[in-house]
Amino acid sequence: TQLLEQSPQFLSIQEGENLTVYCNSSSVFSSLQWYRQEPGEGPVLLVTVVTGGEVKKLKRLTFQFGDARKDSSLHITAAQPGDTGLYLCAGVPVKAAGNKLTFGGGTRVLVKP
Amino acid sequence: NAGVMQNPRHLVRRRGQEARLRCSPMKGHSHVYWYRQLPEEGLKFMVYLQKENIIDESGMPKERFSAEFPKEGPSILRIQQVVRGDSAAYFCASSPGSRQGAYEQYFGPGTRLTVT
Repeated sequence: TQLLEQSPQFLSIQEGENLTVYCNSSSVFSSLQWYRQEPGEGPVLLVTVVTGGEVKKLKRLTFQFGDARKDSSLHITAAQPGDTGLYLCAGVPVKAAGNKLTFGGGTRVLVKP
Repeated sequence: NAGVMQNPRHLVRRRGQEARLRCSPMKGHSHVYWYRQLPEEGLKFMVYLQKENIIDESGMPKERFSAEFPKEGPSILRIQQVVRGDSAAYFCASSPGSRQGAYEQYFGPGTRLTVT
């Protein structure tokens, strides 16, 4: 089992619909980061959430960090084909030594025009 | 302000050859991380370096793999005597520091290694 579990693994929706991606763990994280990765490219950092209960908005994307800092969600409003990609959550567990990121397995999002 | 640079983008090696992957961090960043993404798998940490120091190599295979980040020049991930199982995308990331507020990691485009 992965330390960070993402769900769903795959999501296919029509343009204009909303979607939510979840990232869950039994461990506490000092922060969580969300990345988007397109085929053949590296992950691009979207946002970092640090404080339990924090909500951050980036245009049509809303990110939330759970109160206990064990989970996070990404909500996309009125999805567009340009939102298609692999969404990854990642973080450093509080109990872990060092600065290495632990990644979730990713959620593949396909937005059809 | 250039991002993280990696080269080559694609590398083909025959079994038994050596592979050298290079990473130049973002300007002002002194911390470098290497991750590996196997086909259909997630990103896995390999090694964390600062200039001239390996800080954490807990994710790196004990044999054939080595990494360095010299005082001058890019960070190098070296794989000796490559095998087919080494075929993967190797990503480098950099951050300005390791303390809270300065540890966000920015990724390069990756090097896709194919071992034939």
